[in-house]
Amino acid sequence: LAKTTQPISMDSYEGQEVNITCSHNNIATNDYITWYQQFPSQGPRFIIQGYKTKVTNEVASLFIPADRKSSTLSLPRVSLSDTAVYYCLVGDQARSGNTGKLIFGQGTTLQVKP
Amino acid sequence: GAVVSQHPSWVICKSGTSVKIECRSLDFQATTMFWYRQFPKQSLMLMATSNEGSKATYEQGVEKDKFLINHASLTLSTLTVTSAHPEDSSFYICSARDHGGAGPNMLDTFGSGTRLTVV
Repeated sequence: LAKTTQPISMDSYEGQEVNITCSHNNIATNDYITWYQQFPSQGPRFIIQGYKTKVTNEVASLFIPADRKSSTLSLPRVSLSDTAVYYCLVGDQARSGNTGKLIFGQGTTLQVKP
Repeated sequence: GAVVSQHPSWVICKSGTSVKIECRSLDFQATTMFWYRQFPKQSLMLMATSNEGSKATYEQGVEKDKFLINHASLTLSTLTVTSAHPEDSSFYICSARDHGGAGPNMLDTFGSGTRLTVV
């Protein structure tokens, strides 16, 4: 299982763009990169997933360089409600009866200030 | 999108009693579900992998006789904390894996968690 490394915490202000980088040097060929968001006393919520290059959805963008040894979650114009813990996970996400487990690292606690 | 319902959201029980937590996938079939435990200010720790119709696979250090997992249907997995003690107080979270749908990749959808307090 590929191990991930993220900054423990980050601070930002409302309206700013936030970029959280995750290192995963041992990522395997079949591994996808998935980011989750967790608020206190709630289960993690899916944000975005990618395999290579760039992925964008309505809430975030995910940048993955060609070597895939890192990835960057970009949150545009954060608000106070984006204060949460963000987890980067790497794992084999192929559908076919996959029972591979996801191992959570420490995550990045993002504090958005007014 | 995929929805996973987890109940109860919180429970207080007396030491020595058992507590059952349910995890249901509402709009998809989940042959694989996972159970996590999370202590304050810490990350999620995987406890076990629950496979429909077979025995659960427990992570190292997790007592299978204490944390009973049943996955009798494609949409329901239960975690029973037996003979609960104060040190079992924690936030328990389940997730369900959607093996179906379009595309090569799949997603784990998490329940809202259960806050267990043992007094």
